[in-house]
Amino acid sequence: ETGVTQSPTHLIKTRGQQVTLRCSSQSGHNTVSWYQQALGQGPQFIFQYYREEENGRGNFPPRFSGLQFPNYSSELNVNALELDDSALYLCASSPGPGQGQPQHFGDGTRLSIL
Amino acid sequence: AQSVAQPEDQVNVAEGNPLTVKCTYSVSGNPYLFWYVQYPNRGLQFLLKYITGDNLVKGSYGFEAEFNKSQTSFHLKKPSALVSDSALYFCAVRDMSTGNQFYFGTGTSLTVIP
Repeated sequence: ETGVTQSPTHLIKTRGQQVTLRCSSQSGHNTVSWYQQALGQGPQFIFQYYREEENGRGNFPPRFSGLQFPNYSSELNVNALELDDSALYLCASSPGPGQGQPQHFGDGTRLSIL
Repeated sequence: AQSVAQPEDQVNVAEGNPLTVKCTYSVSGNPYLFWYVQYPNRGLQFLLKYITGDNLVKGSYGFEAEFNKSQTSFHLKKPSALVSDSALYFCAVRDMSTGNQFYFGTGTSLTVIP
């Protein structure tokens, strides 16, 4: 069973640039959620995708957007990068959007904004 | 509003002693509760969950957690700590009435002293 994989593992960008982060969900999982984890903090929910549609969104501005593909992999796009966007971005997949489903996390992408 | 509190940033315990990591929650409806562990430079790993039923939930690696509705708590416990249990622990809640979003606490760093 292949787990959740994220790419790249590390990324350095400058303010104002755009970035795309990628996530392959665990085999058999059709639901992907994205989180931002700032240093010393817990993960903050960005949004969830289920069957290629956004299925819930946290308190993040529209410059954070996403996609889910037919194979259930997903992308997180962030436009107009700001210094505060520096964080670990985590992708998590689950077999469905049901509330009792635990999420399986990838190891994250460390994004640094200069 | 939904929230999770982990009142201790740091917990130290001697190897072989019992450990407790505390978590309290606030939700508008009935909660789904989860514990995750994070090792350095890794994503979160699922330990256990409470959905309904028995208030004592058993999970991975010998961990268990006790749901207490009157105290709105979900403390993580282990009878005998191992050095390898040293990691960052996160409590998370999902509100059954609002659906998809996980709310994470700020994490508790557990150090098991040999």
